[in-house]
Amino acid sequence: DAGVIQSPRHEVTEMGQEVTLRCKPISGHDYLFWYRQTMMRGLELLIYFNNNVPIDDSGMPEDRFSAKMPNASFSTLKIQPSEPRDSAVYFCASRTGTGELFFGEGSRLTVL
Amino acid sequence: AQSVAQPEDQVNVAEGNPLTVKCTYSVSGNPYLFWYVQYPNRGLQFLLKYITGDNLVKGSYGFEAEFNKSQTSFHLKKPSALVSDSALYFCAVRDGASGGSYIPTFGRGTSLIVHP
Repeated sequence: DAGVIQSPRHEVTEMGQEVTLRCKPISGHDYLFWYRQTMMRGLELLIYFNNNVPIDDSGMPEDRFSAKMPNASFSTLKIQPSEPRDSAVYFCASRTGTGELFFGEGSRLTVL
Repeated sequence: AQSVAQPEDQVNVAEGNPLTVKCTYSVSGNPYLFWYVQYPNRGLQFLLKYITGDNLVKGSYGFEAEFNKSQTSFHLKKPSALVSDSALYFCAVRDGASGGSYIPTFGRGTSLIVHP
């Protein structure tokens, strides 16, 4: 298995632009998570899905953030409009029935 | 509620010496405990977990962790550190009780630096 696949690995954009991050979870995993990592705040859970249904989005910082999971093999995290304080590394992870998470390599976002 | 604490932001150890990265937790039910490692510019990688059974858990890259229920701790250990072990280490916990959160809570991470 190729693991959790995220794209793009790096994104540089200007303030106000729309950003879309993509994730393909490991086949057969029923949970998908989106995290954000910064030096100041560490690892933050933004939202998670179970069987493609959003369960808890209380970690989404603002209405500018949205996430979708249209099917079991694909999820997106969208920021519109983006701001410099959104600069971070965004991780997608999926989970097995035994509980450990498998993380993608992350998408490093820089908003100028 | 569940929580996890990693009391040290950074741990320094000489190559060849034993290392310990500390983790304490709090859950209402039975703890499911995990350690992850993050190398620079990479995602987190699963190292080991404790669900039930033997208190000493062995994982990847020669790491092990000891579950101590009375001290609510799950410290990560390795008998002989390598320079290549230098990375960021995260402890995570979730409540294994029925009705508990299926979502793990992560600590803030401990930076392990192994000096040649």
